Amino acid sequence: KNEVEQSPQNLTAQEGEFITINCSYSVGISALHWLQQHPGGGIVSLFMLSSGKKKHGRLIATINIQEKHSSLHITASHPRDSAVYICAVSWAGGGADGLTFGKGTHLIIQP
Amino acid sequence: DGGITQSPKYLFRKEGQNVTLSCEQNLNHDAMYWYRQDPGQGLRLIYYSQIVNDFQKGDIAEGYSVSREKKESFPLTVTSAQKNPTAFYLCASQTGTLEKLFFGSGTQLSVL
Repeated sequence: KNEVEQSPQNLTAQEGEFITINCSYSVGISALHWLQQHPGGGIVSLFMLSSGKKKHGRLIATINIQEKHSSLHITASHPRDSAVYICAVSWAGGGADGLTFGKGTHLIIQP
Repeated sequence: DGGITQSPKYLFRKEGQNVTLSCEQNLNHDAMYWYRQDPGQGLRLIYYSQIVNDFQKGDIAEGYSVSREKKESFPLTVTSAQKNPTAFYLCASQTGTLEKLFFGSGTQLSVL
């Protein structure tokens, strides 16, 4: 079965640190999504990318199609960045049946 | 503002009871999805719909049913056949399969 793996599962860091969350997948994809889930459960889409790099504020997402790997970086981390970050992919040649999700990375930024 | 509204936020089901979770969107999105989230697991697809009056089973459809009578609405019924319904349920929508996903705030379903 096609899989999405995230690392680390849990990450605790101090305010101001540079954060990296990794996502790897097993076969070719059409697109990769990075999502953020706050306590209370609502999910927000941060990025959708199929190649290269995207930046929004302090967040940067990169993807290496050949290595089947993506990273989400947070610069100058802040306690409000504490959340679960989820990677999800649309498989290449896949149908209209949504995404396959990683299990998430639980990030805590301490003041 | 456009968005997806899920209700209720919390729901309790008695043994043998069917319950319905509401999902409404005003984003004019064609595609809508229902996902189930269990602790320590990734989201899993229950049902999806690409167009009004049509829907398809996802990976874990057993014990669930849906309808798509209007573009804006995609309610999920958790039937008594679903023996382990306790989970967090998320509704999502997008304009097309390779577009950004929008999520509702979720419904936590528990069994009494």
